[in-house]
Amino acid sequence: ETGVTQSPTHLIKTRGQQVTLRCSSQSGHNTVSWYQQALGQGPQFIFQYYREEENGRGNFPPRFSGLQFPNYSSELNVNALELDDSALYLCASSSDRYLGYTFGSGTRLTVV
Amino acid sequence: GEDVEQSLFLSVREGDSSVINCTYTDSSSTYLYWYKQEPGAGLQLLTYIFSNMDMKQDQRLTVLLNKKDKHLSLRIADTQTGDSAIYFCAESSDDGFQKLVFGTGTRLLVSP
Repeated sequence: ETGVTQSPTHLIKTRGQQVTLRCSSQSGHNTVSWYQQALGQGPQFIFQYYREEENGRGNFPPRFSGLQFPNYSSELNVNALELDDSALYLCASSSDRYLGYTFGSGTRLTVV
Repeated sequence: GEDVEQSLFLSVREGDSSVINCTYTDSSSTYLYWYKQEPGAGLQLLTYIFSNMDMKQDQRLTVLLNKKDKHLSLRIADTQTGDSAIYFCAESSDDGFQKLVFGTGTRLLVSP
């Protein structure tokens, strides 16, 4: 069991740019969710993928998009970055969505 | 909509018990979770309780659920300095997919 790995750990981007964040889940974890955690806040649900299809989305605009691949890796893409997108982005995966998720350590995105 | 509230801060002495409280609004929540976040790290699942349970004990951790009042608590016995962290309560909802709704977190400070 290798856990959930996210890359990069830190990233600085300029407003208006695009960014791709990556996550590698444990083998067999066919459900992956992405969360945004602003400083001093709890994580907010962005979306969830199950068997490579998006099956749920939170209150985030379409410029937040994702992909899930057959090898249990996934991506979060954010277009037209805004200053308020600065946050810790957390990937979480599960093999049984009712028994909790394993979270990665996150990617700290700073938009300047 | 779903909402989870927690007190922001708790300070205890090493060896004492800590009790972290949480209230939630979604009566249809199936599972309720406690996560721990240490500085610069992701979220670590501590324990969870199914909504038809009143209590769950796991070593030093005791979870109490009052479904009528929508109140959840986490008791940590014999609190250690290593327990200093932010603790998040989360409720799950199942609208065909499972998302976690987190509180803003309770910062626990354990002093020697």
